[in-house]
Amino acid sequence: DADVTQTPRNRITKTGKRIMLECSQTKGHDRMYWYRQDPGLGLRLIYYSFDVKDINKGEISDGYSVSRQAQAKFSLSLESAIPNQTALYFCATSDTRTGAKETQYFGPGTRLLVL
Amino acid sequence: GESVGLHLPTLSVQEGDNSIINCAYSNSASDYFIWYKQESGKGPQFIIDIRSNMDKRQGQRVTVLLNKTVKHLSLQIAATQPGDSAVYFCAETRGTSYGKLTFGQGTILTVHP
Repeated sequence: DADVTQTPRNRITKTGKRIMLECSQTKGHDRMYWYRQDPGLGLRLIYYSFDVKDINKGEISDGYSVSRQAQAKFSLSLESAIPNQTALYFCATSDTRTGAKETQYFGPGTRLLVL
Repeated sequence: GESVGLHLPTLSVQEGDNSIINCAYSNSASDYFIWYKQESGKGPQFIIDIRSNMDKRQGQRVTVLLNKTVKHLSLQIAATQPGDSAVYFCAETRGTSYGKLTFGQGTILTVHP
């Protein structure tokens, strides 16, 4: 969905480095999410945010942190990258103002390789 | 534990055939289900959803069926086209989980011309 953008689209980093993945949305949605996807697995929730002041851990938050700088921006940081964090990362948004608040809209993904 | 799973990891069909992708869930408290399509190199794209107070919902060429008795969800694609080739995920959430989706493993659909 072009309304949800992620940068960078691809990133190669080394073990121990700190990196940040960024997500921006123009949909005006209040909720934002970060997921990771590994080969053969579905998406797993890392963190989610219901508004700028609300940040919550998902099922696999260890080794990650997030920042909701504004309603439209939600960044994911790997404090000290490790090889098993090599994965495809997706940002998503949803809107509580509509009846379909559970429906999430995904960005194009960031492919991360940790050497 | 709670899970959302798929019966078949791959499905191959001929163009023009109907496709059926299945999904099982284990939590009877799940009350909202979504099917997503993920094409290579792209993020998941919403296809259709259904709430637990419904048994069937239809969209354009797609139908979702929900059988709460056996905790089973299916996605039917009519007249499957090569552009339907993708990975399909079911996802579930519950009213108390504040929008947190639990995704299934995914089914790879391949449509042969």
